[in-house]
Amino acid sequence: EIVMTQSPATLSVSPGERATLSCRASQSVSSNLAWYQQKPGQAPRLLIYGASTRATGIPARFSGSGSGTDFTLTISSLQSEDFALYYCQQYNDWPPEYTFGQGTKLEIK
Amino acid sequence: QVQLVESGGGVVQPGRSLRLSCAASGFTFRSYGMFWVRQAPGKGLEWVAVIWYDGSNKYYADSVKGRFTISRDNSNNTLYLQMNSLRTEDTAVYYCAKLVEADYADYWGQGTLVTVSS
Repeated sequence: EIVMTQSPATLSVSPGERATLSCRASQSVSSNLAWYQQKPGQAPRLLIYGASTRATGIPARFSGSGSGTDFTLTISSLQSEDFALYYCQQYNDWPPEYTFGQGTKLEIK
Repeated sequence: QVQLVESGGGVVQPGRSLRLSCAASGFTFRSYGMFWVRQAPGKGLEWVAVIWYDGSNKYYADSVKGRFTISRDNSNNTLYLQMNSLRTEDTAVYYCAKLVEADYADYWGQGTLVTVSS
């Protein structure tokens, strides 16, 4: 089983600043990685797939990078609506096991 | 627009069964894989089960293997999760989601809460 580890668990950033979230896989997942945003009481929302491709309707301030085992989600200039939980998910395993990271909580500093 | 609406959650005693449904609309349901993901109170996301677009392949997380069964009715655009031998640790919000190429989920339902308690 591939284990996904996100860091930090909580990130405190001021509005307008840049946020950098990390996700590490226990073995290579190539570029088969997605990022989701979740706000309290809501379902997850797809942000990034293929490690770096923004999903439809996602603002350009969200960007993803990395391949293999190390991945980064960057939010270039934080808006109030960006403070939420963020999860990475790998989809490289076979037979399929869609493992998620434990999440990073992005909070207002 | 894509809509996924889960139903069937509730309070159930340990050892009992429950069936969740996910009604899909706004896309060609029979063409897409689907999965169930759950989230225990205050916890992260945990994948539960996946089913291929035509129902030909199904895979499960180890934590539910042998107890849960995923299925679909493509004529009625509905996804199911039959949950047997429920345990207190199965308490969670259960989400259904539409997959792209059986890889990642581009649309999610709002979830249905399952509480397993005596």
